[in-house]
Amino acid sequence: KAGVTQTPRYLIKTRGQQVTLSCSPISGHRSVSWYQQTPGQGLQFLFEYFSETQRNKGNFPGRFSGRQFSNSRSEMNVSTLELGDSALYLCASSQGTGNYGYTFGSGTRLTVV
Amino acid sequence: KNQVEQSPQSLIILEGKNCTLQCNYTVSPFSNLRWYKQDTGRGPVSLTIMTFSENTKSNGRYTATLDADTKQSSLHITASQLSDSASYICVVSAWGSYIPTFGRGTSLIVHP
Repeated sequence: KAGVTQTPRYLIKTRGQQVTLSCSPISGHRSVSWYQQTPGQGLQFLFEYFSETQRNKGNFPGRFSGRQFSNSRSEMNVSTLELGDSALYLCASSQGTGNYGYTFGSGTRLTVV
Repeated sequence: KNQVEQSPQSLIILEGKNCTLQCNYTVSPFSNLRWYKQDTGRGPVSLTIMTFSENTKSNGRYTATLDADTKQSSLHITASQLSDSASYICVVSAWGSYIPTFGRGTSLIVHP
């Protein structure tokens, strides 16, 4: 079956702009979680959605937001981009019944200039 | 506070040699521990997942061990190959939490 698909793979934005990233989970997976990965901080949890509801949220400013659609696809939005937002953004999907079986996408590399 | 510490931070070995990566955690109550391999610029790929009752789990040349009493895990790579060059991340989950705790990873470089 198809894996987790993230689009776009690469993105270059200017400070102050906003950006929307997309994640299509594995078919049948109802949970989608988002992570930011930087060389200095490693992987950091942003938020998790289950059945269109945000179930958990990490410690990130309100500029970072997300949503999940009825087909489980998810989007993440970052407004008023800052240079420090440059990172690899990963999403992972799971069946959402526990803590098993996270499958990650290949990520979106965001560069803010 | 839930934490996962990995060592060493980086490791360089010659092709064909074995190596062991370490993961210590303070996540409680413990649910499961996973090892992921992440190639540069790609998403992490799951290698093994272990619950409290499992001591050892293998996936080809990768063998993970878990000591729930000392809260330590190791990932042993046998007969390393150039393609093993990657970052290896230890991830620990607690019961009742959907937010896993990630280690910073060990960067492994395999030289010919």
